[in-house]
Amino acid sequence: EDQVTQSPEALRLQEGESSSLNCSYTVSGLRGLFWYRQDPGKGPEFLFTLYSAGEEKEKERLKATLTKKESFLHITAPKPEDSATYLCAVQVANDYKLSFGAGTTVTVRA
Amino acid sequence: GAVVSQHPSRVICKSGTSVKIECRSLDFQATTMFWYRQFPKQSLMLMATSNEGSKATYEQGVEKDKFLINHASLTLSTLTVTSAHPEDSSFYICSGSVVGYNEQFFGPGTRLTVL
Repeated sequence: EDQVTQSPEALRLQEGESSSLNCSYTVSGLRGLFWYRQDPGKGPEFLFTLYSAGEEKEKERLKATLTKKESFLHITAPKPEDSATYLCAVQVANDYKLSFGAGTTVTVRA
Repeated sequence: GAVVSQHPSRVICKSGTSVKIECRSLDFQATTMFWYRQFPKQSLMLMATSNEGSKATYEQGVEKDKFLINHASLTLSTLTVTSAHPEDSSFYICSGSVVGYNEQFFGPGTRLTVL
């Protein structure tokens, strides 16, 4: 059975304090790994798609990386507006469904 | 681009009534739409997948007669919660994707409260 595990569950950061979120996965044939941001009471907002080990993508203060077993979302010099829940999801070959992890809730204090 | 809307954003209903939630892709044609449910402090759980003009495929444990899904056009899917009960209270979110692309784009969600 496909599994997606995110850690830590919650992360409290001081503004400017860089950190990383982890998403480990066990799937049979990865099509893609996705990162989304979700603000309270809203739908997820698409951030990145990663397809193969070694791939990296960046957007502003966020950088996502992928290995054969896990993905990291690095937040560099975060600002309070980066506070959100970050969701990781996997998609397997021959299927377009997404399986989500439980998410990491990031709180950035000014 | 890739904007998805949902209506209503919030709905409160009495137990036993039916509620319809609309999901529209505003600037793209969604060949496939997905419906998710999210309980407080939990992640998204896929309920069903629908392709335009076809019957929806439901995930294990999701009652197809209770959660009716219609995907009549490439820009509109509806979810009807029939005979709603308090345990159906949740945050319902839809997403759309385009054939040939793997990304799903999500709507803002609908908060359903059943009294």
